Parts: sequence; structure tokens; C-alpha cells
Amino acid sequence: EDQVTQSPEALRLQEGESSSLNCSYTVSGLRGLFWYRQDPGKGPEFLFTLYSAGEEKEKERLKATLTKKESFLHITAPKPEDSATYLCAVRGYGNNRLAFGKGNQVVVIP
Amino acid sequence: EAGVTQFPSHSVIEKGQTVTLRCDPISGHDNLYWYRRVMGKEIKFLLHFVKESKQDESGMPNNRFLAERTGGTYSTLKVQPAELEDSGVYFCASSQDVTGGGYGYTFGSGTRLTVV
Repeated sequence: EDQVTQSPEALRLQEGESSSLNCSYTVSGLRGLFWYRQDPGKGPEFLFTLYSAGEEKEKERLKATLTKKESFLHITAPKPEDSATYLCAVRGYGNNRLAFGKGNQVVVIP
Repeated sequence: EAGVTQFPSHSVIEKGQTVTLRCDPISGHDNLYWYRRVMGKEIKFLLHFVKESKQDESGMPNNRFLAERTGGTYSTLKVQPAELEDSGVYFCASSQDVTGGGYGYTFGSGTRLTVV
């Protein structure tokens, strides 16, 4: 069974204080690792898809990287509007469902 | 384009009653998924439709849950009879490409179901 573990569960950052979120996964043949952002009362909002080790993607202050066992979401010089729960999910070989982690809850303090 | 729409946004029902959740996917998206988040746990897969056919229903908890997708458009998820452990947030997602492609899977805002 595909599994995803995210750490830390919760993180408080000062505005401008860069940090990284970790997503460790076990999957039978990775067919995609997804990062989503979720705000309170809303559904997950797509950020990135990574497919192979060594791949990196960037969007504004966010950068996602992938190795064979884990992915990192780097937040550079965060702003209060980056406060959200960040979800990691994987899609494994032979199925079309996502396996999610519990999320990283990030609060950025002005 | 309009996103994935779910309603109701909230539902409070008594144990033993029936509830029907509805999801309208993005127009043209053949793939529709249901997920659920129980408090304190991760979001978990329930089932996957391709057009009107159930492709994978391995995540459905038991036979109290019935999902349909009429004509390959909107989908409904009925819980009958509801139990306390069915409480949670039910998310619907859709995609044009079964892999999610470069745009991922688009999620709705969810239906928060509370069974009392």
C-alpha cells in the first residue's frame, strides 16, 4: 500500500524566514508526486507534479524537489499569505488514486 | 472555467438517516474521484469514475455507500443509513487526463458531513 509521511506536522515561521517541508513516501512504482496547498474550509489547490528523482519545480516562493524516497517543499522568504496546510500525495503504478499525507500546517507571522 | 462544485457545503444529519452529496466536475473531465478526510486522519481515496463507469471502488468503506455518475456528468454519493463514523469532509476531484497530467487533479471545496 502506498504511504506518505509528512514532517513537521506544524511549523511557525517569521515572515522572511525560509524553511523546508518534508514528504517521505513508499510506493510501488512512482507515477507522480503531487503537492497541494489547502486553506481552511477549501479544497486542495494544485501546486506541482514531480515524476522522477532529480526533478525540481518552482512557483513564486515555493520550490519542490524529488528524490527516490522523499520530496521537499522549500519556502523562500515566506509571507503571511503563504500560511496554509501543504499536502503531499503520490500516485503509484497500476492505479489512479492518490495516497495523501496528513499535511504540513504552516503559519507565517508578520 | 468553472471549478469543481460540491453541495451541500455542510450537512448535519442524525444517525440512521440518509444523505446524498453531489459533485459537478469541470466540464469535459471524464475522470471523477471521491475522497474523504476523517478528523485527524489523512485524505483517503473512495472511488474513481471514468465517464459513467466505476473504474476503481476499492476505497469505499462498506455497502452503506453508493456512488453514481449519471450520463458521465455529475456524480452523487449516498450514505444510507449514516453512522457516526461517517462524519468527515468529502471531497470530489476531476481531471481530463487519468494521470492528472501537468495540471493535477482539481478538487472541490468539499462537503462537511456531521452525523449526530
